Amino acid sequence: EAGVTQSPTHLIKTRGQQATLRCSPISGHTSVYWYQQALGLGLQFLLWYDEGEERNRGNFPPRFSGRQFPNYSSELNVNALELEDSALYLCASSLGQDGGLPLYSGANVLTFGAGSRLTVL
Amino acid sequence: GQSLEQPSEVTAVEGAIVQINCTYQTSGFYGLSWYQQHDGGAPTFLSYNALDGLEETGRFSSFLSRSDSYGYLLLQELQMKDSASYFCAVNPSNTGKLIFGQGTTLQVKP
Repeated sequence: EAGVTQSPTHLIKTRGQQATLRCSPISGHTSVYWYQQALGLGLQFLLWYDEGEERNRGNFPPRFSGRQFPNYSSELNVNALELEDSALYLCASSLGQDGGLPLYSGANVLTFGAGSRLTVL
Repeated sequence: GQSLEQPSEVTAVEGAIVQINCTYQTSGFYGLSWYQQHDGGAPTFLSYNALDGLEETGRFSSFLSRSDSYGYLLLQELQMKDSASYFCAVNPSNTGKLIFGQGTTLQVKP
């Protein structure tokens, strides 16, 4: 079974440009999460999508946006890139939510992809 | 606000036991998880505690005290391959979103 796949692996952009990152979740997973991991820092929650809807958003400016497609894959867009956007962007997937309650009783286990390294020059 | 505190670095020798602590302050609490991330790799799930007490999975154990807003990850019989970053994470809202700590870098020496 394929894991969570992300593309591209590396991306180099300049200030002011736009970046698009892509994520394919594990088959059967309907929830997709995006996290930003700046060098030496923890994982900062960006966005959560479930069943095509944005369910929650972290403390990031509106130039960070995304969407989830009918096949549950997802895209993260970062507009007007700034130098501090340079980071590893991690996508994770999990079983879906139903009325806010995890379908999986117990831990909401996230399965992460290997990430997309974005460098802004 | 919501915050999780864990030590930034821990060093131990092969075969030893190490404990990584995590204290949290969140608006809600539905469980504490631990993830391992090797350099350049994806974080991977290690363990989860929703109730007070100790959960054991092989060489790794995780403990939770909800009254103290505290948990720890215990790694026994350390191996070189255990050198990695370890993150605690809280589920504050019984939904998909997890809040992660800053991570503890564990260095295992021969």
